[in-house]
Formats: sequence, C-alpha cells, structure tokens
Amino acid sequence: DAGVIQSPRHEVTEMGQEVTLRCKPISGHDYLFWYRQTMMRGLELLIYFNNNVPIDDSGMPEDRFSAKMPNASFSTLKIQPSEPRDSAVYFCASSFGQRPTDTQYFGPGTRLTVL
Amino acid sequence: QQPVQSPQAVILREGEDAVINCSSSKALYSVHWYRQKHGEAPVFLMILLKGGEQKGHEKISASFNEKKQQSSLYLTASQLSYSGTYFCGTVPNAGGTSYGKLTFGQGTILTVHP
Repeated sequence: DAGVIQSPRHEVTEMGQEVTLRCKPISGHDYLFWYRQTMMRGLELLIYFNNNVPIDDSGMPEDRFSAKMPNASFSTLKIQPSEPRDSAVYFCASSFGQRPTDTQYFGPGTRLTVL
Repeated sequence: QQPVQSPQAVILREGEDAVINCSSSKALYSVHWYRQKHGEAPVFLMILLKGGEQKGHEKISASFNEKKQQSSLYLTASQLSYSGTYFCGTVPNAGGTSYGKLTFGQGTILTVHP
C-alpha cells in the first residue's frame, strides 16, 4: 500500500508569490494533519481534518496560510503571499482514527525555500 | 504545551546504550516515539499508553510513568542505523479538539559512530 504522498518535494519561490503544497493521504485514513518543521520551532501542528472537515486550525500561523481538503484523497496547504520566514519543511500525515492510540504516518515532506 | 526532551544530543559508539527522556507538564494519555533520519519523514517507533507499560521493538524499548508524566526511550547495543533524531509526541488526557492531538518535543539527536 502506498504511503502518504506529497508534492512537490522541493519548492523554491520568491517572497510574495503564492505557494501550494499537496498531499494524498493513505487510502482509508480519515484524519489528515499538516505539520511544519523548523530548527527553531521543531515539529508543530498547523491544522488537521477529520473526514475532510477542518477540526482544529489553531496552529495556522496567520491568515496567509489556508488549507483545504476537497475530498478524502487530497488536501492542499496554500501560502499567499509567501515570506522568507515561511521557509521550512512541511509534512502531511494521516491516521485511521484519532484516538490517543492511533498512529500517524508521515509523508516525505515538502522543503519550501522562500527567497 | 511542548514536552521537554533530554538530552538534546547523544554521541555513541556502536554497541553502547542510550536513554532519551520526555517530560510533560500535562497529564498524558499516551506517548508516541518517532525517529527521523536526515532529510526524511519521521517514522513511527511505538506508542506507550497510560498505565505505566513498557514496550519493546528489537533493541529499542520504552517506558511510561503516567504519575510523573514522563517517558523514556531505551536504546541498547546501538547500531549505526539508530542514528537520527528521536521525537516524543504526547497526547493529553483531555477531550475536545485536544483528543488525540500530538504535540512533539524538540527532538534528541543521536549519532552512532563505528
């Protein structure tokens, strides 16, 4: 079974440009999580969805960030306009259920560099 | 609130043992351990549930003391393949949108030399 798929793997853009990151969760998983990883802040949760519905977006840093999940097999994280401080690795993860015992499986990540 | 991991970094020779600790100020339901190699995604190792259980995975095991809100990861007879950054993720013993929500520690960098 394929794991979580993310695209692109690397993105380099200039400040002010719109960036869209994509994620395909593991088939059958009903929870999808977006994380951001930086040296300074570590691995932090941005937003998560359950059955395509956003449940908690308290980790989204500001209005420049938005996330959607139009169907069970696809999600996007958009940054508009992008800023240099958005440079990070963005991970998507999915799980079957959100009990405290459920395992989250991470995708390979998208390394974003904003110049 | 982010759990605190210690130490921040460990350097070992093959065959040596290491312990990585994870502490939380909140009551916890579970602790999840992940390992991340450079440039790769975090990979799940194991989950510890409240109840003070200890689990094992090859030569890597872990314990969870729910009274102290602490978990420890034990790596015995380390191998080169153990190198990477180890993260604990904690799930609070609470409901609402916090239910099942993982908060990760800052990570412990483990380097194993031949």
